[in-house]
Parts: sequence; structure tokens; C-alpha cells
Amino acid sequence: AQKITQTQPGMFVQEKEAVTLDCTYDTSDPSYGLFWYKQPSSGEMIFLIYQGSYDQQNATEGRYSLNFQKARKSANLVISASQLGDSAMYFCAMREPSMDSSYKLIFGSGTRLLVRP
Amino acid sequence: KAGVTQTPRYLIKTRGQQVTLSCSPISGHRSVSWYQQTPGQGLQFLFEYFSETQRNKGNFPGRFSGRQFSNSRSEMNVSTLELGDSALYLCASSLWFQKQETQYFGPGTRLLVL
Repeated sequence: AQKITQTQPGMFVQEKEAVTLDCTYDTSDPSYGLFWYKQPSSGEMIFLIYQGSYDQQNATEGRYSLNFQKARKSANLVISASQLGDSAMYFCAMREPSMDSSYKLIFGSGTRLLVRP
Repeated sequence: KAGVTQTPRYLIKTRGQQVTLSCSPISGHRSVSWYQQTPGQGLQFLFEYFSETQRNKGNFPGRFSGRQFSNSRSEMNVSTLELGDSALYLCASSLWFQKQETQYFGPGTRLLVL
């Protein structure tokens, strides 16, 4: 069964510095997709970045980049130049494979990031 | 393009009552999934609908049910509410069935059961 592990319940980072949020995963499917979502206190899950298992390069989206190490089964999120608005919960997720293409995400337990001014 | 919308945003019910939550996906999206988020269990998958058919279901009791309409709007229903059903219920939609397709979430419905 697929599993996502986020070992950092909470983290602090100074404004304008970079921070790495850890995510490891377990799957036996050779084709998979990994996602990172941000959840502010309002509750909405905001999509940040996607990495496919066959993608040759690490994904980047603005200040977000994904450090994808396939052999280690890790997909760490790197946020550069942290801003106060980055304070939120961050979830790593994987799409569970299915025969009928149904869509189901498996989430990690999340990391709460607090950006200090 | 409008995002995923959910109504109501907040709800207070008492034990034993039933509740219906609504979700309107992004225009053109045909897949709608529901998730329950609680402090103790985290984010858990409830079910997924595509073209009015339930394709996948999580490990929840039969009190949790859902449906999807021809316009892809979806509803979920919880009957005989229990205190443990207090949670944030998130709806998400996606365009297609390719693995790369991203699910986009709505703002959620916060349900409090007293």
C-alpha cells in the first residue's frame, strides 16, 4: 500500500530564508505522481507543485521547487525566500494507482511552517 | 475561471441529525472527490465520482454517502451524525483521468456536531 511520511510536525524559518520540508513515500507502482499542497488557517488546500515519477528534471514553480530523489523515495519541498504569507500547513500527497483511473490522494500528516519576521 | 465552491462553509448539527454538503467543481471538471480532515486522523479519502458514478470509496461507514449530478456537481450526505463526524470536509475536482492531472480543492465545509 502507498504511504506518505512527513517527519517534521512543525518548523520555523526566518523571513527571506529558504526552507526544506521533508517527504518520503512508499509505493510499488513504477508510475506515480507526487503533489505538495499548502493549507492556510482558512482551510482551503492550495496546489503548489507536482512531480511525476518519470520526469527527468525536478519540478519548479516560482519560489517552490521539489528535490526529487527517486532512489531514496523522497520528494522534499524547497521554499526559497520565505515570506510571512508562507506560514501554513504543508501536505505531501501521492495519487493512489487504480485500474479504473479513479482519483484518490493519499496525504502525509503535514508540516506546520511558521515564518518569523 | 471560478474555483471549486462548497456550501455551506460552516455547519452546526446535533447528534442523530443528518447533513448534506454541496460541491460545485471547476467548469469542465468531471471528477469530484471528497475528503475528511480531522486533527486525529488527518486527511482521509471518502469517495470519488466521475460521470455520476462512484468509482472509489474510502473506509467509512455507510452513513457517509454521496452522489454526482449530470452537471458534475456533487453532494455528500452524512446520516445519524456522531460527535466524531466533526471535521473539515473538503471537495476536490480534476479535469481528466491522467495521472498527472491535479486535483483542485474547495474551501471546505466545517461541520461541528454537538
